[in-house]
Amino acid sequence: QSALTQPASVSGSPGQSITIACTGTSSDVGGYDYVSWYQHHPGTAPKLLIYDVNKRPSGVSNRFSGSKSGNTASLTISGLQSDDEADYFCSSYSGTTTWVFGGGTKLTVL
Amino acid sequence: QITLKESGPTLVRPTQTLTLTCSFSGFSLSTGGVGVGWIRQPPGEALEWLALIYWDGDERYSPSLSSRLTITRDTSKNRVVLTMTHMDPVDTASYYCARYWQGRYYFDYWGQGTLVTVSS
Repeated sequence: QSALTQPASVSGSPGQSITIACTGTSSDVGGYDYVSWYQHHPGTAPKLLIYDVNKRPSGVSNRFSGSKSGNTASLTISGLQSDDEADYFCSSYSGTTTWVFGGGTKLTVL
Repeated sequence: QITLKESGPTLVRPTQTLTLTCSFSGFSLSTGGVGVGWIRQPPGEALEWLALIYWDGDERYSPSLSSRLTITRDTSKNRVVLTMTHMDPVDTASYYCARYWQGRYYFDYWGQGTLVTVSS
């Protein structure tokens, strides 16, 4: 199983929107609606932002949204804020109780 | 409040066995459907799922590492232990434990991770 592909970095100014792509295969992202996204401030515990492609856990801001098309999932953050600066990684279920993850994308808020 | 915390050695010699402990609170591994998994991230690389243990003791492993991994649980102490044999420098990584609910396909609470370096 290969890792999911994410851009190494993205950036945006406060108030803007950014989108992070997560590309897999038909065996993971394209085959299941079980993509999740996590926010990770280094040194802290990763936080679940999105599950099942586009669902938000209770307490997660609606500025975070997820979508999927084919083998690529996307995380969009609208109304960028300074504390959104973090690493973001995606994950997909890949069958028979296995998961694949992305390499993470570092978001810089300019 | 749900918390998980990883603990273990920061430095391991090549060929040695790594033992990591995940201590958690705010939930019980006796609850039907609950699981605890381990995920790691080598520096600059993608995260990799390693293993998962369910409330009923069922164990699941990454196919590529299954021969080296063992996951166990101590329900009374709220702990999950991961052992990895034959450690190599490529196993240098931050190791995370996280909670899982059967049928939900994501990890909802994570620990902050512990960095393990494999070096002679």
